[in-house]
Amino acid sequence: QSALTQPASVSGSLGQSITISCTGTSSDVRSDNSFAAWYQQYPGKAPQLMIFEVTNRPSGVSNRFSGSKSGSTASLTISGLQAEDEADYYCSSFTVSSTRVFGTGTRVTVL
Amino acid sequence: QVQLQESGPGLVKPSETLSLICDVSGYSINSGYFWAWIRQPPGKGLEWIASIFRTEKAYNPSLKSRVTISVDASKNQFSLILSSVTAADTAVYYCARDRNRHFDYWGQGSLVTVSS
Repeated sequence: QSALTQPASVSGSLGQSITISCTGTSSDVRSDNSFAAWYQQYPGKAPQLMIFEVTNRPSGVSNRFSGSKSGSTASLTISGLQAEDEADYYCSSFTVSSTRVFGTGTRVTVL
Repeated sequence: QVQLQESGPGLVKPSETLSLICDVSGYSINSGYFWAWIRQPPGKGLEWIASIFRTEKAYNPSLKSRVTISVDASKNQFSLILSSVTAADTAVYYCARDRNRHFDYWGQGSLVTVSS
């Protein structure tokens, strides 16, 4: 199975909004399912779930983080960018073969 | 509060077998949900390895021939065995609770280095 495709890096200034894309195939991220999640990872730390089932935020996650999907592309938007948002972000999906797959990862830089 | 903790050798020789255990607290492993192993080579991205719920198992096709995942409900833990390791298997190995559609609780990670 192939990893979901994400941009290697995205940057933005403090207070701006940025969007990270996650492109899959007909076997995973599709318009007829809710199989997209997002994780934030700081260096040397375990990933933390930020968005599940495309649009849902776990308790404790800032509402500056939001998710959406169009066709086979899921997106994570970070609004009001803050210095603490500088991290790596990964998407994941469940597949039609009952396997799981991660995205290639995106490094977010706050300018 | 669900907590997961990986344990196992930090160094494994090439061609040998890697074994890791994940201890789960705050949730009964047989109550529901899958339990997963995920790894991350140094400086690289996340790779899902396998997931298990009771006797139901799912494996990454690229690793399936070398991986065994199992559960010991009496100890509330699950384990990973990866055979015939090479330097490419050097990674931080994470265990996580797998809700099929996402992983909501993660261990802190265990670095395993494959080297002679």
